[in-house]
Amino acid sequence: QSALTQPPSASGSPGQSVTISCTGTSSDVGGYNYVSWYQQHPGKAPKLMIYEVTKRPSGVPDRFSGSKSGNTASLTVSGLQAEDEAEYYCSSYAGRNNLKVFGGGTKLTVL
Amino acid sequence: QVQLVESGGDLVKPGGSLRLSCAASGFTFSDHYMSWIRQAPGKGLEWVSYISSSGSAIYYADSVTGRFTISRDNAKNSLYLQMNSLRAEDTAVYYCARDQIHFDSWGQGTLVTVSS
Repeated sequence: QSALTQPPSASGSPGQSVTISCTGTSSDVGGYNYVSWYQQHPGKAPKLMIYEVTKRPSGVPDRFSGSKSGNTASLTVSGLQAEDEAEYYCSSYAGRNNLKVFGGGTKLTVL
Repeated sequence: QVQLVESGGDLVKPGGSLRLSCAASGFTFSDHYMSWIRQAPGKGLEWVSYISSSGSAIYYADSVTGRFTISRDNAKNSLYLQMNSLRAEDTAVYYCARDQIHFDSWGQGTLVTVSS
């Protein structure tokens, strides 16, 4: 049950775009279109931002978008705003026994 | 609106037991799969366990297999996690979440601390 690999940190200035990567294997990210992304502010529960690689739940701004190429998924935040500063986690279905794996998290700083 | 409220977290000694509960409201609980996810202090998220809508399918992470038991009571709109043989590394905030392969709703979490 290896965790997915995310960069520990990312940053950008207000209005800019930033992309966070999430690298797995053909047994998880590369094998299924079930990658999801979560935003977590300090002391709060995670919030679903993207599911099934590219889909946005109702209420999530369209500044947030997802994509996938091979074994790497990406979350792009466009038009950065101060409230986007948070920890972001990716997750993927990993098949066997309904296993889900998470990335280690990326701290997004809005400069 | 969907609401999930965990309870039962506490300070427990290594080797001890604890039962967590998650009260669900705002949706038809019996129609949905559920999972427990935990987060150690200052660390990332770790999926712990899954239960199908009827309770007929149950899965665990390797780290808790044989020690934790997930269950649900659809009549009470409640999810449970029985944790036995607790270890220091089980110290974490435990979240219940509605599982649709992605986790679309989360509770606020309950803190479990395993320490002597």
